[in-house]
Formats: sequence, structure tokens, C-alpha cells
Amino acid sequence: GESVGLHLPTLSVQEGDNSIINCAYSNSASDYFIWYKQESGKGPQFIIDIRSNMDKRQGQRVTVLLNKTVKHLSLQIAATQPGDSAVYFCAENIPLNTGFQKLVFGTGTRLLVSP
Amino acid sequence: GAGVSQSPSNKVTEKGKDVELRCDPISGHTALYWYRQRLGQGLEFLIYFQGNSAPDKSGLPSDRFSAERTGESVSTLTIQRTQQEDSAVYLCASALSLTGWHEQYFGPGTRLTVT
Repeated sequence: GESVGLHLPTLSVQEGDNSIINCAYSNSASDYFIWYKQESGKGPQFIIDIRSNMDKRQGQRVTVLLNKTVKHLSLQIAATQPGDSAVYFCAENIPLNTGFQKLVFGTGTRLLVSP
Repeated sequence: GAGVSQSPSNKVTEKGKDVELRCDPISGHTALYWYRQRLGQGLEFLIYFQGNSAPDKSGLPSDRFSAERTGESVSTLTIQRTQQEDSAVYLCASALSLTGWHEQYFGPGTRLTVT
């Protein structure tokens, strides 16, 4: 499959710190990107998205930055809380020549927040 | 409204047996995806369906894996002659469409253990 089956990288932060999770995507034709959060024992949940004609989008405590030049996406979480501890996945939307689109997920990063 | 549901939530089976996993997508969602997630790893794309179009089976790891979908509703993922390496969480997601930008909504997953 397109997702690499490697053990997840881990980011450890202290409560109250700002967290930055990075993601490199592969396809220059990708036109839409999503960040998902997956808590233990649950399916991934949508956090925030960004279209390729934007370079920054802000939500509540979260900001997504997109650098198309280097095909890089980041998720910034302000004032990280223990409840933010989870695995975070980026996903890129790839248009297909069939007219359909396909969402491809990155490997994921585990965020551990210490009180 | 109801989210994506999957059944069973847990399945323990003996090596060599066949298993069938079920996914009920959100009503009205035409796109349906199956993913595999091994312990501590990322999402591995398996297959997706869009309406009545031919499914994209490019992620299926072997011919022991197959999936069906009835119209735009229930999907079943079947694994024949299960092996221990099939042990994983199998996640289903649905999306409004495969055209345009649409986030995927995930079910809670089925945890498969092959003994």
C-alpha cells in the first residue's frame, strides 16, 4: 500500500508547550490536505484541512502550514494538553485521471504530552 | 446522525479460517475505503469503492483478501485462510464523494487477532 508500515516516530512535549508535527507528502498534484487525530482504540478523527491554494489555516488551538515548494505540511498545536496525546496523520488528496480523487495517508506521528 | 459503524469490534480466529468484517457507512456517502493498521503503525490502504464504479483494489496485499459493497451501503471485507500477519485493526471510512474535496469519516475499527 501507499502508507509505509514503519514504527511511528514520537514527539514528547510538556503540557503547555506548543507542538509542531511535520509531514512530507509525495505528489505535486495533491490539491487538498487533511490532518487526523487517532486516540488509542479509536478510528482517526478530522482535525483541520487546507486546500493547495492556501499556505496557512487556523482552527481552535491548531494551525496547518503548507509549503508546496518542498511538499511539506505541518500541524501546530498551541498550549498542548494531555488530551492531545494521540497519533496524528496527515493525508493528501490526489486527483486521478478518472475524475475521482484518492486520499493517501502519511505514516503518522505519536504525540505524548506530559503533565 | 449515525457515524460509520463496524462489526464485530473484536474478532479472534484460528489460523487458516476465513473471516468476514462488516462496515456500515454514513447514509448518503458514496465513497467507502478499507484500511489496515498494524499495532503501532500507520494506515495501509486496502481498497475503495465509489458508487457503482469498479473498485480500486490496488492496495489488497494478496488474493486472500477481497471486498464487496452492495450499492452505496454495506461493505464486507473477507480474508480467506487467515495468517498471523493478518492480525491488525481493520478500519473502514466513508466520504460524501470521491469527486471534490471531502474528508473521510472513520469507523471504530475491527481488531482481528489470528492465533
